[in-house]
Amino acid sequence: DAGVIQSPRHEVTEMGQEVTLRCKPISGHDYLFWYRQTMMRGLELLIYFNNNVPIDDSGMPEDRFSAKMPNASFSTLKIQPSEPRDSAVYFCASRGTGWDEQFFGPGTRLTVL
Amino acid sequence: RKEVEQDPGPFNVPEGATVAFNCTYSNSASQSFFWYRQDCRKEPKLLMSVYSSGNEDGRFTAQLNRASQYISLLIRDSKLSDSATYLCVVNILYEAGTALIFGKGTTLSVSS
Repeated sequence: DAGVIQSPRHEVTEMGQEVTLRCKPISGHDYLFWYRQTMMRGLELLIYFNNNVPIDDSGMPEDRFSAKMPNASFSTLKIQPSEPRDSAVYFCASRGTGWDEQFFGPGTRLTVL
Repeated sequence: RKEVEQDPGPFNVPEGATVAFNCTYSNSASQSFFWYRQDCRKEPKLLMSVYSSGNEDGRFTAQLNRASQYISLLIRDSKLSDSATYLCVVNILYEAGTALIFGKGTTLSVSS
């Protein structure tokens, strides 16, 4: 059974470029979460969706960040324009209704030069 | 004040040792509690939930004190494979819904 799938696994880009991170949640899970992890700030929730609808985006750092979930099996996190301080590991996670456990994808390691 | 606070460590212990990690949380609306484990350069994975009565899973024991807003994890007979970062996690109910709030983690290194 496939877990949460994220792509790309690594991304190196230059400041000012657009970055798009992708996530496929576990089939049947109706909650999807985007997190960012850095040494300084730990694991931070950016945004989460329930049944493809954004519920809370208060963790999105600024307007350069946007997230979409066009269907139950796909979500994107976009950064435009990217900045060096966006360098981090971005995790996607999903869970089913009534379950507390979240399942994380392997993460995307983003480096903005 | 951070919502979930942990001693970052690192804790360096020999195989067979018993080690305890502590965690405090600030939001009294916290509903449920967990310990996640994160290996180096990997994703976090659920280690165990934490119940008010305390619970045990093999060598791992978790305790919760709601009055003190304190959570603990005890690892007995440490193994080399226990080396990882342990994240204290609370589930908070707020207006927009619920969210998992993660501590920054406590790093454990078990040596032979």
